[in-house]
Amino acid sequence: LAKTTQPISMDSYEGQEVNITCSHNNIATNDYITWYQQFPSQGPRFIIQGYKTKVTNEVASLFIPADRKSSTLSLPRVSLSDTAVYYCLVRTGGGNKLTFGTGTQLKVEL
Amino acid sequence: KAGVTQTPRYLIKTRGQQVTLSCSPISGHRSVSWYQQTPGQGLQFLFEYFSETQRNKGNFPGRFSGRQFSNSRSEMNVSTLELGDSALYLCASSFQGDLDGYTFGSGTRLTVV
Repeated sequence: LAKTTQPISMDSYEGQEVNITCSHNNIATNDYITWYQQFPSQGPRFIIQGYKTKVTNEVASLFIPADRKSSTLSLPRVSLSDTAVYYCLVRTGGGNKLTFGTGTQLKVEL
Repeated sequence: KAGVTQTPRYLIKTRGQQVTLSCSPISGHRSVSWYQQTPGQGLQFLFEYFSETQRNKGNFPGRFSGRQFSNSRSEMNVSTLELGDSALYLCASSFQGDLDGYTFGSGTRLTVV
């Protein structure tokens, strides 16, 4: 059974760029890839969404290769407040199932 | 504007009982989806509703059911509770589900004893 996988954890320092990759080789062909941030005891919060190539907003960039079997969330200059768990969300199984990635715990230090 | 509201925030139930959780989506949103979050299994998709119709369902036993009302509010029900059902249950809404990012509520923390 194909899984949507991410690195378990990443460590960084304030001001650095962080790239988190999600592998989703069973993604539906015609749906978006979305990334979320989650703090303890809260629901996930939308960060960015894209379909192909590159998307950028005020907080992040999302890189998607042509085969769409992976995506990379890029946080340009992280701060302590970016310490959280990051998830990708895609549709798999022909589009019938919403599947979260396994989640990446990002820890940012001074 | 008001966000996604889930009630109750916390719930303690006894094994074998049943429970109903409620989700009020953002005004105008027609799609509601439900997720179970546990430390071991992460975030798992339960079901998705659009305009009162269940559009998709995850791999959960029939004890887990849901519905959506004409005002887009949604409920999920778990019957014959098991200890393993202890989890954070999250609801998310979006305008039409397919092309929008979802807005999540803060969840209902269910503990089964």
